[in-house]
Amino acid sequence: QVHLQESGPGLVKTSQTLALTCTVSGDSISSGRYYWSWVRQHPGKGLEWLGYIYYSGTTSQNSSLKSRLTLSIDTSKSQFSLRLSSVTSADTAIYYCAAFSKYDMGFDSWGQGTLVTVSS
Amino acid sequence: EIVLTQSPGTLSLSPGERATLSCRASQTITYTYLAWYQQKPGQAPRLLIYGASSRATGIPDRFSGSGSGTDFTLTISRLEPEDFAVYYCQHYDSSPSLTFGGGTKVEIK
Repeated sequence: QVHLQESGPGLVKTSQTLALTCTVSGDSISSGRYYWSWVRQHPGKGLEWLGYIYYSGTTSQNSSLKSRLTLSIDTSKSQFSLRLSSVTSADTAIYYCAAFSKYDMGFDSWGQGTLVTVSS
Repeated sequence: EIVLTQSPGTLSLSPGERATLSCRASQTITYTYLAWYQQKPGQAPRLLIYGASSRATGIPDRFSGSGSGTDFTLTISRLEPEDFAVYYCQHYDSSPSLTFGGGTKVEIK
């Protein structure tokens, strides 16, 4: 398992871009063992997969967000990032970064989550 | 796109009882890619089961998973106080895409 830590602003203004970074430790981000992922959870609701990025830069994204979501990775810093543009109050949620294991095909490590509130 | 439907929405049971949670897929899925998670209030989810029936590292053997095709089950043989939580199933497909079920809350009766 790896350790993941999200960072970024907790408050974003409506129509602006939400940007979060996840720092990976305990394993190399370039190991190839994981798809580096983002999952969000609206207050009191279920889990929503947003997308993942592989160390090579290959991405896969939830089609419902595809036009607004950008994923990137910086292997030199052991970080991967999310940018979600044109946010509305519907994007208010807890955002988790998580490691999706290619071995067991499950999210076996998660960050603690960060609450992002979108408000005007 | 595959949809995962979990039932029941809420399960009210007493400690020591058996819990049976269902996850139904909208089409046949590969069992290898079906996982279960536990989430407690204020915490991130925790992987319990992967490959439909394999327990993740450190997961007690009172948790078991089964199923194939479109119907999958998570069973908790005897509920401990710490097992009262929300449980999610999740599927990975080769498109590639990931989907979560809506969750089942196991609450103390």
